[in-house]
Amino acid sequence: DVKVTQSSRYLVKRTGEKVFLECVQDMDHENMFWYRQDPGLGLRLIYFSYDVKMKEKGDIPEGYSVSREKKERFSLILESASTNQTSMYLCASSFSGQGWNEQYFGPGTRLTVT
Amino acid sequence: AQTVTQSQPEMSVQEAETVTLSCTYDTSESDYYLFWYKQPPSRQMILVIRQEAYKQQNATENRFSVNFQKAAKSFSLKISDSQLGDAAMYFCASPPTSGTYKYIFGTGTRLKVLA
Repeated sequence: DVKVTQSSRYLVKRTGEKVFLECVQDMDHENMFWYRQDPGLGLRLIYFSYDVKMKEKGDIPEGYSVSREKKERFSLILESASTNQTSMYLCASSFSGQGWNEQYFGPGTRLTVT
Repeated sequence: AQTVTQSQPEMSVQEAETVTLSCTYDTSESDYYLFWYKQPPSRQMILVIRQEAYKQQNATENRFSVNFQKAAKSFSLKISDSQLGDAAMYFCASPPTSGTYKYIFGTGTRLKVLA
C-alpha cells in the first residue's frame, strides 16, 4: 500500500513562530504537493515539486516556502506563522505524467496559530 | 478540466438508500480523466472512482458508480445501498492535462448517512 505520512496530526503554534510541516512518501513518486483545505474552499495548492530540489508555486504560495532535498520527503515551511494560516494542511504525491495518475494523500495536519 | 464545480455543500441519505452527488466541469481538452475522492472524518482522502472521458461506459466500483454526461460536462457520483461508513466529504477532481501539473478540485460535498 502506498503510504504518505505527515509529521503531526495536530499542531498549535504562536504568531511569528517558524513552523515546519513534513511529509514522507514511500512509493518513489516524482511529484509531491502541499494543499491547504478550508471549509467551502476545497483544496488549494500551495506548492508543487516534480523532482528533488525542484518546486513550483501553486495558487496561494504567499507566506510559505518548501524544501525537497530527498525524493521521498517534502517539507512545508511557514516562515512567520500568522493567524490566517490556521488551517488543515494536506500533503499528496503521485507519479509524473497526466491522465489517470491519482494522488495519494497524507492524513493531514491541523494547524492552529494563536 | 479547467474548472470543477460542486453545487451541493451538504447532502443527507438514509442508510440503505441511494444518493447522487453532482459535479460539473469545464474543459477544452478532448481526452481527460475525472476522479471522485472520499475524505472520511479524520482519515486520509482516498480515490473512490475514476472515469476516462473517451470511454462510453460509466465507471463502476461496487456500490459506487458515475453518471458521466460528456456533452453536458456532468460527472455525478451515485452511491447505492448507503452505509454509515460512507459518511465523508466527497471531492470531484480533474487530474492534470497536457502541459500542466495541477489537479483541480471541487469545493466538496459533505455526505451524512442517517441510521
